[in-house]
Amino acid sequence: EVQLVESGGGVVRPGGSLRLSCAGSGFTFGDYGMSWVRQAPGKGLEWVSGINWNGGSTGYADSVKGRFRISRDNGKNSVYLQMNSLRAEDTALYYCARTFLAAAGLVGWFDPWGQGTLVTVPS
Amino acid sequence: DIQMTQFPSSLSASVGHTITITCRASQGIGTYLAWYQQKPGKVPNLLIYAASTLQSGVPSRFSGSGSGTDFTLTISSLQPEDVATYYCQKYNSALGLTFGGGTKVEIK
Repeated sequence: EVQLVESGGGVVRPGGSLRLSCAGSGFTFGDYGMSWVRQAPGKGLEWVSGINWNGGSTGYADSVKGRFRISRDNGKNSVYLQMNSLRAEDTALYYCARTFLAAAGLVGWFDPWGQGTLVTVPS
Repeated sequence: DIQMTQFPSSLSASVGHTITITCRASQGIGTYLAWYQQKPGKVPNLLIYAASTLQSGVPSRFSGSGSGTDFTLTISSLQPEDVATYYCQKYNSALGLTFGGGTKVEIK
């Protein structure tokens, strides 16, 4: 069974940092891209960041560019999201998701998703 | 950036009825569109990708269609377990994997 388990969420003051982790199992982790998607309380879904299979290509939403950094360790079947300069608007449930390619170099859809880890930045 | 507009934002229908949710892109995106279902308090679940390809394990009452700017998700014979919020997602560019605002489906 394909499984993704996030960790590292918590309460952090504005301007602070947090590092999220996501451990994958049940599939060949190094064969897939991975992404982080967040959902603010009671709101919709927002793609945050993605990384290709070997970490050689990354992407970020404009809202987090320059503050967040995605990385991965295929030896540990894990992907990470380093979040710096956190703001109240970063408060959300952060999901890790396996990412499929729609075409060569074109990130596609997400399946499956982890259970999420909650990040709270009080205003 | 290409914007994704979903409508209606919510709907209520009776069990056994057919419902349609629309997702409109501000520019053409080919068939680079996915649909997800998020049941209350649960994790999003992939239903359809490439606009019309049903993900393995998803009931056949779900179907997707469209290309370019207009896309639809149809649930034929709505079931109580289909109560959820449905999201579309475009992926035609590395510059933004954008989700629609969601459509909340309830049973009348």
